[in-house]
Amino acid sequence: SYVLTQPPSVSVAPGQTAEITCGGHNIGRKTVHWYQQKAGQAPVLVIYHDSDRPSGIPERFSGSNSGNTATLIISRVEVGDEADYYCQVWDSDSTHFVFGTGTEVTV
Amino acid sequence: QVQLVESGGGVVQPGRSLSLSCSASGFTVNTFGLHWVRQAPGKGLEWVALLWHDGSKEYYAESVKGRFTISRDTSKNTLYLQMNNLRVEDTAIYFCVRLRGHNFISAFDVWGHGTMVTVSS
Repeated sequence: SYVLTQPPSVSVAPGQTAEITCGGHNIGRKTVHWYQQKAGQAPVLVIYHDSDRPSGIPERFSGSNSGNTATLIISRVEVGDEADYYCQVWDSDSTHFVFGTGTEVTV
Repeated sequence: QVQLVESGGGVVQPGRSLSLSCSASGFTVNTFGLHWVRQAPGKGLEWVALLWHDGSKEYYAESVKGRFTISRDTSKNTLYLQMNNLRVEDTAIYFCVRLRGHNFISAFDVWGHGTMVTVSS
């Protein structure tokens, strides 16, 4: 089955930039989505189709996808960005939806 | 306002059954694909099942195939998850989630608050 690997944790100072990676075999050929989950809450979609932002998501959130790595970038990080972040793709070989292992962002 | 509200969670013994419901508002369940996604305590997200937007197809994770059934009642605008032969490892928060578009590569754009299922003797 398809595996998506994320670093368990990322620590960043307020105002700096956080980069969260999502590794998978030829992930650049897939469409990647990113979700933010704050403590005790349901996940929220923050990036879809590699780099698009849903309405209401700050421009500070951006994404890229190429080769074997997709990346979520959070610019000018705020304390309120503290959360777990998950990448997600659809694996056509298994017709299953796959989530990454998740990254805890600490500000 | 687009919203999903789950219910039906609880404590159940291994081997028993439980049925979850997800009431949709702000859209109709026959126009969007709907998933169940779960999260074990302290763990990551795991996709469980998808019901295609026209109700024609169901897809399941290997871990629940043959034990769980996803269905809907369009007259009640509600999605269901029938869970049989429950195992301790099925213990999790179960989220009802909307698929944004009519294809597999679409994102999960609306999430319910979740309902907790605990399987324990």
